[in-house]
Amino acid sequence: EVQLVESGGGLVEPGGSLRLSCAASGFTVSNAWMTWVRQAPGKGLEWVGRIRSKTDGGTSDYGTPVKGRFTISRDDSQNTLYLQMNSLKTEDTAVYYCHTGLSGYWGQGTLVSVSS
Amino acid sequence: EIVLTQSPSTLSLSPGERATLSCRASQSVSSSYLSWYQQKPGQAPRLLIYGASSRATGIPDRFSGSGSGTDFTLTISRLEPEDFAVYYCHQYAGSPLTFGGGTKVEIK
Repeated sequence: EVQLVESGGGLVEPGGSLRLSCAASGFTVSNAWMTWVRQAPGKGLEWVGRIRSKTDGGTSDYGTPVKGRFTISRDDSQNTLYLQMNSLKTEDTAVYYCHTGLSGYWGQGTLVSVSS
Repeated sequence: EIVLTQSPSTLSLSPGERATLSCRASQSVSSSYLSWYQQKPGQAPRLLIYGASSRATGIPDRFSGSGSGTDFTLTISRLEPEDFAVYYCHQYAGSPLTFGGGTKVEIK
């Protein structure tokens, strides 16, 4: 059974950093295109970024609001996806989800709050 | 960046009625790389449709998608009580990927 479990969310001050994790089971993260999506409180979905499978080059790309501040990576030994978030802004406050794209699996989300 | 505009923002209907949701793109979405998601309060989104018209695994056939180019439609043929939710279109034709602002289907 495929499962995605996000963790690492919490309260951080503006300008701070946080690393989110997405632990996968039931499939191999390095073989999949993995995506992060976020949702600010009461708002719609926003695409954060994705990382391609290892066989497709393993490169990543990002949405405009986070480009240069966020980095997506993988740890194949842990079968885990990461989202490193630096220079956080109040507008980054959201629930962050990892998902597997068109195969349709999503995690339950983890809340990141950026506030002083 | 491809901007997706969904209309209407809210659709008030009764169970059993037909729902028609629109998604318009600011430029052509190549190869119909457009999907639809359903989201209920407190839950992660659920993939309904991909490739503009293909139903995802386990999705009932009352959900159908159509369209190409810049105009796409999600149709729910007969609303069931569990279909009242927010629906998002999403293009994955080119980076950055983008979502529409959502249509809320509420009980009239």
